[in-house]
Amino acid sequence: DAKTTQPPSMDCAEGRAANLPCNHSTISGNEYVYWYRQIHSQGPQYIIHGLKNNETNEMASLIITEDRKSSTLILPHATLRDTAVYYCIAISNTNAGKSTFGDGTTLTVKP
Amino acid sequence: NAGVTQTPKFQVLKTGQSMTLQCAQDMNHNSMYWYRQDPGMGLRLIYYSASEGTTDKGEVPNGYNVSRLNKREFSLRLESAAPSQTSVYFCASRTDMGTDTQYFGPGTRLTVL
Repeated sequence: DAKTTQPPSMDCAEGRAANLPCNHSTISGNEYVYWYRQIHSQGPQYIIHGLKNNETNEMASLIITEDRKSSTLILPHATLRDTAVYYCIAISNTNAGKSTFGDGTTLTVKP
Repeated sequence: NAGVTQTPKFQVLKTGQSMTLQCAQDMNHNSMYWYRQDPGMGLRLIYYSASEGTTDKGEVPNGYNVSRLNKREFSLRLESAAPSQTSVYFCASRTDMGTDTQYFGPGTRLTVL
C-alpha cells in the first residue's frame, strides 16, 4: 500500500469548510483513497473513498488531483461534532481489509 | 440492525489471566478484523478472517488467538495477559464488494495490571 502523509493537526471555525489534505505520492494505479474518522475513542467511521474521480456523499467531498499524488477531504460546513481524528488510507482492492491506519489528522472545530 | 457489537466494553485483568473478547456483526459480511489502538496511536491489525473457517495474522498477532465461530462471530483470546496488552480493541467487518469499507464496533477497553 502507498504510504500516506497527513498534517498532525488542523483547526477550523464552526460553519466553515474544513479541508483536510493527504499526500500519497507513491500511489499505484489500482489503489483507492479511503477516508475514515474517529470521534473521541469511538470506533472509526467510514466517510468516503475514490479512485481518480472526485466523489461526494452526504458526509463529505473527496477531491483527488489529476496525478493522484494527493487528495483533499472537504467537510463543507464543519460542526463541533466533526471534531475527530481523520485517517487517509491508500489501498488496492486485492489488499482490501489490511489497511494501515497511521496517526491521521486531528481536526478541531472551534465555535 | 445493530451493526458490529463487542463485549465487554471494559475489562481489568491481572497479569497472567486469560479472557476472550467477543465480536458479532449482523450485516452478513464475510470478512472480520481485530485491531488494537494504544493511547495516542493509530490502529494496528492483530488478526483477520476473510471467511468463516479461515483466519490470518495481521501486523501484531503475538500473544493473541482468534476463532471465527460462524459467519457472525469472531472472538479474540488473550491466553496470558501482559501489561503491554493494555489497549483499546476494535472489531470490524467489511463489505465484500471489492472495497475496503470497514464497519467498526465501539471497542473494548482493556487494562492489564
